[in-house]
Amino acid sequence: EVQLVESGGGLVQPGGSLRLTCSASGFTFTTYAMHWIRQAPGKGLEYVSAISSNGRITYYADSVRGRFTISRDNSKNTVSLEMNSLRAGDTAVYYCVKDLGGPAGWQYYFDSWGQGTLVTVSS
Amino acid sequence: DIQMTQSPSSLSASVGDRVTITCRSSQSITNYLSWYQQKPGKAPELLIYAASSLHSGVPSRFSGSGSGTHFTLTISSLQPEDFATYYCQQGATFGGGTRVEIK
Repeated sequence: EVQLVESGGGLVQPGGSLRLTCSASGFTFTTYAMHWIRQAPGKGLEYVSAISSNGRITYYADSVRGRFTISRDNSKNTVSLEMNSLRAGDTAVYYCVKDLGGPAGWQYYFDSWGQGTLVTVSS
Repeated sequence: DIQMTQSPSSLSASVGDRVTITCRSSQSITNYLSWYQQKPGKAPELLIYAASSLHSGVPSRFSGSGSGTHFTLTISSLQPEDFATYYCQQGATFGGGTRVEIK
C-alpha cells in the first residue's frame, strides 16, 4: 500500500522559512516523479512543484518560483520542499503527491496523496 | 497558460440521479485530463485519467469522456458517498471545482 506522510508544517511569520518533508513507502520510490500541491483554507487546489524520478528535472508554479526549492533523497525515500520568503498567500494545506508514472514517465496524473500538512503564514 | 473552466460550480442532486460535470480548456489538450474527488477534510482521490481511463478501485458508475477542449465527468447513479467536490486537472492547472450537494 502506498503511503505518503508529510511533516514540517506549522506557523511561521511572513518572510520566514519552512521545510516540508514527505516520507514515502509502499512503492518503488526511485521510479516515480513526485509533486507538491496545496490548498488554501476553503479554496481549490493549486499546483506547486514537481521533481523527476532521478531528481534532475524540477518544475515550479510561477507563484513560488524563486522562493521554493524541491528536492528528493532516493536513498531515504523522501521528497522535500524548502519554502523561503513566505507570504500570507502561501497559507495552505500542502499535499505530497505521487505521479501515476508508467512507460511515459512523468504524466501529471496524481494517483496517491498524503494527508497534508498545514502551513500558516501569519504574524 | 492553459485555463481550465468547470461548470457548474455547484449542483444539488438526489441519490440515484445521473450527474454530469463539464470541464473546458482554453486550448486543445488532446486527452491529457484527469478528474479528482475530494471529501471534506480529506485529500483528493484520482477517479479518471487520460480523459476516460478509470483509476484502479474506482466504481464503474464514474466515467469520463471528451477530447480537445471539452470534457465531462458522469456519475451514472449518484450514491450517498459521492457527495463531494470534484476537480478536473490538466498538467499544472486545476479547474475551480464542482461541489455536489444533497437535494
